[in-house]
Amino acid sequence: DADVTQTPRNRITKTGKRIMLECSQTKGHDRMYWYRQDPGLGLRLIYYSFDVKDINKGEISDGYSVSRQAQAKFSLSLESAIPNQTALYFCATSDTQTGGDEQFFGPGTRLTVL
Amino acid sequence: QKEVEQNSGPLSVPEGAIASLNCTYSDRVSQSFFWYRQYSGKSPELIMSIYSNGDKEDGRFTAQLNKASQYVSLLIRDSQPSDSATYLCAVILSGAGSYQLTFGKGTKLSVIP
Repeated sequence: DADVTQTPRNRITKTGKRIMLECSQTKGHDRMYWYRQDPGLGLRLIYYSFDVKDINKGEISDGYSVSRQAQAKFSLSLESAIPNQTALYFCATSDTQTGGDEQFFGPGTRLTVL
Repeated sequence: QKEVEQNSGPLSVPEGAIASLNCTYSDRVSQSFFWYRQYSGKSPELIMSIYSNGDKEDGRFTAQLNKASQYVSLLIRDSQPSDSATYLCAVILSGAGSYQLTFGKGTKLSVIP
């Protein structure tokens, strides 16, 4: 079984719709992250969380919100999707007990907003 | 603005050769450096981390760090066609009260059989 799972893997939605992307991990890591990847722009950090009660904005948090429901679960929401949020979204985890810096990525969610 | 820079490539090397991938970063106080490999349509996979000046070897991979020059590189010896991928350099850049792993845009490597 995969250590970091993301659902859905692919999603097509329309402008203005609310959408949630979910991430679960069985690695026992305390830190979780959401990134988006766009051609030519690379990976950019949206939000990160160091534990259940900790939420931090990343480089490009506008238009997104997150919820850390449990140590193993971190979800990303787009309250009102717009076409320029079309991208590949990755969840990642890391472990404070091993330094916290090495991040491990889920398989990604390809989101298309029409 | 704090940045991580990589040559986008593509870098083409023949099978069996050494591939050399380079990365520069703008933050003098950065302490943590990583190389990820990403196959097309797949997620990034951590292949090397390096924290101290000098070389770190793991199998066919060697990471080299020079903090004075703000430069980190990845050497792949005996390159194989399966090494064809995009390689992402990532650096933890400092900032007041913040923590961010900042990625370069990646270098696409093509190993020619």
